[in-house]
Amino acid sequence: QKEVEQDPGPLSVPEGAIVSLNCTYSNSAFQYFMWYRQYSRKGPELLMYTYSSGNKEDGRFTAQVDKSSKYISLFIRDSQPSDSATYLCAMSAGAGNNRKLIWGLGTSLAVNP
Amino acid sequence: GAVVSQHPSWVICKSGTSVKIECRSLDFQATTMFWYRQFPKQSLMLMATSNEGSKATYEQGVEKDKFLINHASLTLSTLTVTSAHPEDSSFYICSARTSGRRETQYFGPGTRLLVL
Repeated sequence: QKEVEQDPGPLSVPEGAIVSLNCTYSNSAFQYFMWYRQYSRKGPELLMYTYSSGNKEDGRFTAQVDKSSKYISLFIRDSQPSDSATYLCAMSAGAGNNRKLIWGLGTSLAVNP
Repeated sequence: GAVVSQHPSWVICKSGTSVKIECRSLDFQATTMFWYRQFPKQSLMLMATSNEGSKATYEQGVEKDKFLINHASLTLSTLTVTSAHPEDSSFYICSARTSGRRETQYFGPGTRLLVL
């Protein structure tokens, strides 16, 4: 079993739809949770950062962390064609200089006008 | 957010030559930088973790003599692909980690390497 599971999609939605992206994980030591967006042939861009459990909202994006279920989500409201990209979840336990992010495979999202 | 630059953005080279890729944190100091490799439609694969002033830590299966990493300052890390071969063709991405209470990684735009 992978430490982080993410459905690669592809996910196709009409413009204006609410998008729900999810990751599950197995390591209960994870405390830092991130969502990155990656456009084709570009480096990942940090979208949301959450420490421990709870919700965080930033504009049209909402990140949720449920540590009891080992489940994180990213919601995109009023989706736009410019949101079409691959969304990667990442998480880390946080200890030591060499602590590293564990990545999901990424979910490919297409928002159709 | 913090800005990380990467240079060159793309490079084409002949088999057997060496290629150096630079990664710079432009508006913050990064004690730790990371080098990733990404194949088409696949996730990021961590190659090595680079700490300023010390030797890089390589992931299992990554040849340290082939992928030389130098992190000589708090804002610059370099990856040199030595004696490149066509199978080294890939998308290489660096990231730099901020320090402080809210640590996170910011990524460069990536370097596309094509070895002929």
